[in-house]
Amino acid sequence: DTGVSQDPRHKITKRGQNVTFRCDPISEHNRLYWYRQTLGQGPEFLTYFQNEAQLEKSRLLSDRFSAERPKGSFSTLEIQRTEQGDSAMYLCASRDWGGQETQYFGPGTRLLVL
Amino acid sequence: GQQLNQSPQSMFIQEGEDVSMNCTSSSIFNTWLWYKQDPGEGPVLLIALYKAGELTSNGRLTAQFGITRKDSFLNISASIPSDVGIYFCAGQRIQGAQKLVFGQGTRLTINP
Repeated sequence: DTGVSQDPRHKITKRGQNVTFRCDPISEHNRLYWYRQTLGQGPEFLTYFQNEAQLEKSRLLSDRFSAERPKGSFSTLEIQRTEQGDSAMYLCASRDWGGQETQYFGPGTRLLVL
Repeated sequence: GQQLNQSPQSMFIQEGEDVSMNCTSSSIFNTWLWYKQDPGEGPVLLIALYKAGELTSNGRLTAQFGITRKDSFLNISASIPSDVGIYFCAGQRIQGAQKLVFGQGTRLTINP
């Protein structure tokens, strides 16, 4: 059983560039979450997918952010026109269907915007 | 923003000591979770609590789901060097996306 994987693990970009991150959930987990974590804080919810449908988005997800989950498997998170304030760890989590199933996190993608 | 108050923010202890940290909320959660995060890694699940009053152990770790459903604590007994890291509590509601709401974390440092 492979865990949640994320790619890349680290990304350095210049302000104004676009970046895209990928998350591969645990196989057969139909629920997928994206969180953002800034230094010294706990993760904060960004968005949620159930299969391929994006069912909930946080206020934190500005219009420069877009997430997709085609075919209900892997997911991508794109940030357009990056800003220095976008620098953070972006975490993906997945869980199986069922009320008591818990979320399992990937290793995260650390983004630094210069 | 975050809704959970986690304390203490940091702890400096000697190896072998017991550790206690807690988390409180202004609102009710149906599930409480405790995660550990090492530098540059994602959070790793330690203990999940599903019922008010539940007391659950995982090795040297013990956690309880408060009876009011607004708080939880985590105890670590006989700490060892590999316990170093940041511990997060997280609450989960049964409605909607069932997203996690995290505390600010407790940074544990152990002196050998």
